[in-house]
This record gives sequence, C-alpha cells and structure tokens, in this order.
Amino acid sequence: GAVVSQHPSRVICKSGTSVKIECRSLDFQATTMFWYRQFPKQSLMLMATSNEGSKATYEQGVEKDKFLINHASLTLSTLTVTSAHPEDSSFYICSARVPRSSYEQYFGPGTRLTVT
Amino acid sequence: DAKTTQPPSMDCAEGRAANLPCNHSTISGNEYVYWYRQIHSQGPQYIIHGLKNNETNEMASLIITEDRKSSTLILPHATLRDTAVYYCIALNTGTASKLTFGTGTRLQVTL
Repeated sequence: GAVVSQHPSRVICKSGTSVKIECRSLDFQATTMFWYRQFPKQSLMLMATSNEGSKATYEQGVEKDKFLINHASLTLSTLTVTSAHPEDSSFYICSARVPRSSYEQYFGPGTRLTVT
Repeated sequence: DAKTTQPPSMDCAEGRAANLPCNHSTISGNEYVYWYRQIHSQGPQYIIHGLKNNETNEMASLIITEDRKSSTLILPHATLRDTAVYYCIALNTGTASKLTFGTGTRLQVTL
C-alpha cells in the first residue's frame, strides 16, 4: 500500500520558537495532503487541506498565520507551528490522498510536539 | 457528509470475530462508507470501504444493509494487535472528500 512518512516523530521545543514538520508520500504523488491535530483521548481534528502549488485551505478556527502550510511538490507538504506555546502541544498527523477513483487516504505515523 | 454513530467501546476475545456496528441513517446515495482504525499513538490506517455491496479484503469484511442505513465491520479472527479505535466515516468522494473523524469505537481484544 501507499506509504506516508513524517519527520520528526517527536520534537520538544521552547515556548516562542517555531517548529517545522515534514510529510512525505514515498511511493506515490499526492496532489492533496491533509493536516490533523489530536489531543490526548480525543479524535482527530482536521486543521487544513494542502493542495500542491496553491494556498492551503484552513478549517474554521485554525489560525493560518500560526500554522503555516507549504505544499511545494507532489510528494512533500510541511507544517510550521510558529511561535509555539504549551497549548500547541499535540499529536500532529498528515495524510495524503491517492488520486484513484475511491479516494482513500493514507496517514503518516504522526509527530508528537511538546512545547515547554 | 452524513453523521455516523458508533458504540464507544467493545471487547472481543482473541481468535473470535469482532463485529463493529455503525449507524449512518442519513447517508445519501453517493456517499461511501469508509473504515479506518488508529492504534495507540500511530496514524490512522485505512481498512476498507464500500458503497452498496458487501466488501472483503485481507483485513476485514464490510457488510452494508440493503437500505444503507447501517453497516458492520467484521474482523474475522481478532488478535491483540487489532486493539485500536475504529472509525466509520461516510464520505462523498465527488466533493471535497475531507475525512471527518467522530469518536469511533475503542475495540479491546483480550486473551
């Protein structure tokens, strides 16, 4: 099946700094990638949809200036958490949609962000 | 996309079949039923999807009722590694195709 990777798997940063998370589709080209956030014991919440070569579409309530998304190539999307604060500590997960007729998505393993 | 309802938790003995129900009474004709699961601290994993007919793959079987208002995911021989949260999602693949995760069913497989 299709493989999606994320880097780093875990990151600890100090409050006020920025952190970049990479999402790569390893064996297919993904015109559309998605970014989710998951707090402990909660479900995944969609943050934004990332389309290659165009601006990301953010879900209501997600600050686009705080969560910068870049989808510069068909295999790479990045999420940058700017001026991170402890409340941004969460599990960030990306997914890539395979452009077949059934449109299933394949998810990365997630990135655990801890802001101290 | 139609709302889905799942029981919050279920238990299953290892080696037995796990039958996970999902209610999607407002599903429209062009919405597929997708199932994903999430093992603790990992990204979700695609399992199976269907529109009207029953489907089977190497992981599971999906049984959709004739009126499409509910479905059941069947893991024929559950193992401890199947312990996870299972999500049932109704998705219109003709539109924006955004997966919206509900609370899912937490399946605990026990010895």
